[in-house]
Amino acid sequence: EAQVTQNPRYLITVTGKKLTVTCSQNMNHEYMSWYRQDPGLGLRQIYYSMNVEVTDKGDVPEGYKVSRKEKRNFPLILESPSPNQTSLYFCASGRRTGEETQYFGPGTRLLVL
Amino acid sequence: KQEVTQIPAALSVPEGENLVLNCSFTDSAIYNLQWFRQDPGKGLTSLLLIQSSQREQTSGRLNASLDKSSGRSTLYIAASQPGDSATYLCAVRWNQGGKLIFGQGTELSVKP
Repeated sequence: EAQVTQNPRYLITVTGKKLTVTCSQNMNHEYMSWYRQDPGLGLRQIYYSMNVEVTDKGDVPEGYKVSRKEKRNFPLILESPSPNQTSLYFCASGRRTGEETQYFGPGTRLLVL
Repeated sequence: KQEVTQIPAALSVPEGENLVLNCSFTDSAIYNLQWFRQDPGKGLTSLLLIQSSQREQTSGRLNASLDKSSGRSTLYIAASQPGDSATYLCAVRWNQGGKLIFGQGTELSVKP
């Protein structure tokens, strides 16, 4: 089944404790992206990747890191999480950026205490 | 600044009604526009993608139109059903790069 998977789905952590949210797709997509969704602010793009070893900042990249060492994986790294990073995070992938639709993962709900 | 706006934030209609959801964007030189549906606690599902050269796209009871000159797109839902209840988001790409800007969504409730 074609899908985008994220792990974990739910995470509670404390300020400053490094964490990684994994994202994996099995559709051989070149394009992958991370978003956060907050009440009243909507969905905002954090980082995106056009292909392996190519990443670019979205609208809200501060406090986040990403890497794209393999085509199927695009982990989101929070080196030193803060409470303002409490949010619902979505990973998405697409076959060719701008020309075809994106497929979204189920989301990761993060609470930083 | 490139922005996407969706009004109203919420809409409630009786079952069977035809309805229109609105999306407006600054800077008419878009690359494409996409409509998504989000069910509570779930990820987004793509509904329709309109390239800048297109005027509309249709899928079943859904029709999305694009008017770049006025900076607007509409999503038309015919004969609405309770199962259409969800949040509908539009997203705009202004170039072939990977940056995507979302509107804040319209929460639709279709009452039986």
